[in-house]
Amino acid sequence: KQEVTQIPAALSVPEGENLVLNCSFTDSAIYNLQWFRQDPGKGLTSLLLIQSSQREQTSGRLNASLDKSSGRSTLYIAASQPGDSATYLCAAPNQAGTALIFGKGTTLSVSS
Amino acid sequence: DGGITQSPKYLFRKEGQNVTLSCEQNLNHDAMYWYRQDPGQGLRLIYYSQIVNDFQKGDIAEGYSVSREKKESFPLTVTSAQKNPTAFYLCASTPWTGEMNTEAFFGQGTRLTVV
Repeated sequence: KQEVTQIPAALSVPEGENLVLNCSFTDSAIYNLQWFRQDPGKGLTSLLLIQSSQREQTSGRLNASLDKSSGRSTLYIAASQPGDSATYLCAAPNQAGTALIFGKGTTLSVSS
Repeated sequence: DGGITQSPKYLFRKEGQNVTLSCEQNLNHDAMYWYRQDPGQGLRLIYYSQIVNDFQKGDIAEGYSVSREKKESFPLTVTSAQKNPTAFYLCASTPWTGEMNTEAFFGQGTRLTVV
């Protein structure tokens, strides 16, 4: 059964810092892994989708990596800003490949 | 604009009532999903549908029902059998290629509260 874990659960940093959010998954036979952002009381916004054939995917100040052999993905945020404050969720397909399994998220707070 | 629309944004249910949450998408996606989110927990899958007139139970389907009569619509009914329905409900959709290898898009959610 696919399980997804995110560490840390919460993170507070001053503006301008570079930071890394971690995601691990138990079933490495995944097609892809997706990172989302969730603001309080809102839905999920897709940030990056990494296919199993890729090792990295970049969008602006965000860079996500995927290492299937170790069951890990990281989301790197460069030069953090207060507007980056949100909960970040990673999700991987379940073993049947029919739906996404989510981690509990990392809540990020960036202070000015 | 293409996207997923969930309504209402807030919903209040009395004990013993059934309530229906709406989810509509204009992305022409084949697959649609319902997730439940509780504080401190990840999203948990309630039901999903890969094609019109077909749907499958997820991990926590008890007390819920769905229908998929149209490609663009996937309503979720929270029945009186669901003993703890207070939660944030999220609807999602993806193109369906036979496997979960495409980007998922989510609606803005419906917050259901039992009063």
